[in-house]
Amino acid sequence: DGGITQSPKYLFRKEGQNVTLSCEQNLNHDAMYWYRQDPGQGLRLIYYSQIVNDFQKGDIAEGYSVSREKKESFPLTVTSAQKNPTAFYLCASSPGFPYNEQFFGPGTRLTVL
Amino acid sequence: RKEVEQDPGPFNVPEGATVAFNCTYSNSASQSFFWYRQDCRKEPKLLMSVYSSGNEDGRFTAQLNRASQYISLLIRDSKLSDSATYLCVVNPSGTALIFGKGTTLSVSS
Repeated sequence: DGGITQSPKYLFRKEGQNVTLSCEQNLNHDAMYWYRQDPGQGLRLIYYSQIVNDFQKGDIAEGYSVSREKKESFPLTVTSAQKNPTAFYLCASSPGFPYNEQFFGPGTRLTVL
Repeated sequence: RKEVEQDPGPFNVPEGATVAFNCTYSNSASQSFFWYRQDCRKEPKLLMSVYSSGNEDGRFTAQLNRASQYISLLIRDSKLSDSATYLCVVNPSGTALIFGKGTTLSVSS
């Protein structure tokens, strides 16, 4: 089955620790995205990548880092510099950029204790 | 003016009702428009794209009014399973998609 997978589904970390969220897609999509969603809020774009080895900051990139070494993979690292990391993190992909619809993975709920 | 604005609701309707959501966007050069559905604590899922000529998918009809810069979603014969948050999504010309905060629909029996 083609799709987007994110792991883990739930993640708990202590304050001050870096944590990496996984996102893999087998849809052969060129573009991939990371969003953050807080309760009662809309999706906010963290980073996006239009092509392998290239990525751009979104609206709230501070405290996050990404890499795009393979077309299928777009991991997100939440660093200790991110002031309020507890949130629902969603990864998405699209066949092209920027006009195509995006398809989402199931998300990772990160709780920083 | 916010880039994408939606009435947050909630819209509480009985089964079988017809309900309409509107969404306004600020960038007149926007090129792509979508409606997504998000269930509680789940990921957003594409419901339908919105074309200039309007489009229909079963009980769902989406329309675009470029002159007034708004998008609408009409749901006919509401089902219990339609209860969700509906996200209006716009591409403001050459950048990544912008998501509205969503409109919550609750359908009751």
